[in-house]
Amino acid sequence: DTGVSQDPRHKITKRGQNVTFRCDPISEHNRLYWYRQTLGQGPEFLTYFQNEAQLEKSRLLSDRFSAERPKGSFSTLEIQRTEQGDSAMYLCASSRGQGIQKLFFGSGTQLSVL
Amino acid sequence: AQSVAQPEDQVNVAEGNPLTVKCTYSVSGNPYLFWYVQYPNRGLQFLLKYITGDNLVKGSYGFEAEFNKSQTSFHLKKPSALVSDSALYFCAVRDIGGNNRLAFGKGIQVVVIP
Repeated sequence: DTGVSQDPRHKITKRGQNVTFRCDPISEHNRLYWYRQTLGQGPEFLTYFQNEAQLEKSRLLSDRFSAERPKGSFSTLEIQRTEQGDSAMYLCASSRGQGIQKLFFGSGTQLSVL
Repeated sequence: AQSVAQPEDQVNVAEGNPLTVKCTYSVSGNPYLFWYVQYPNRGLQFLLKYITGDNLVKGSYGFEAEFNKSQTSFHLKKPSALVSDSALYFCAVRDIGGNNRLAFGKGIQVVVIP
């Protein structure tokens, strides 16, 4: 497999702008997760897809955040009206099948909001 | 909620010496525990998991972890550390909800000194 791919690797934006990140999971992985990681902390769960259905959203995910996974393949995470507190590494992970499976992570998108 | 605690910020060890990275957990029900490693500019990589069965779990790169129910611990170990083991290590527990999402600890930086 080619691994989980995330684009872009880095994004610098001004406060109030909208940004969109893309994640391409490992082919045929039906589960896709978004996490956020800030300096000195572990990843925090944001949202989860099984195929194209978004089945869970963390309370960390405010109304400014939206995620999609059309056709159950790649996923996008959009942040509207960015705030400085949104600055973080956004990680995507995927897994396959059912039950307790290991997650495969991408290298992340580092967002800096100025 | 399920959670893990990683009590140290950094562990320093000489190359060739045994390495232990500590993790304790707090769960309701059976714990499903994981270790992931993060190298600079790389995504998190799965090392090993404990679901049930043998308390000693063997994983990638010569790592193993010991599940201790009475001490609610899941420490990661390696008999002989390599300089290339220098990285950020995360303990994680499967969170409540059944969708395979994980709750991570804050991570421990391991520095292996040549």
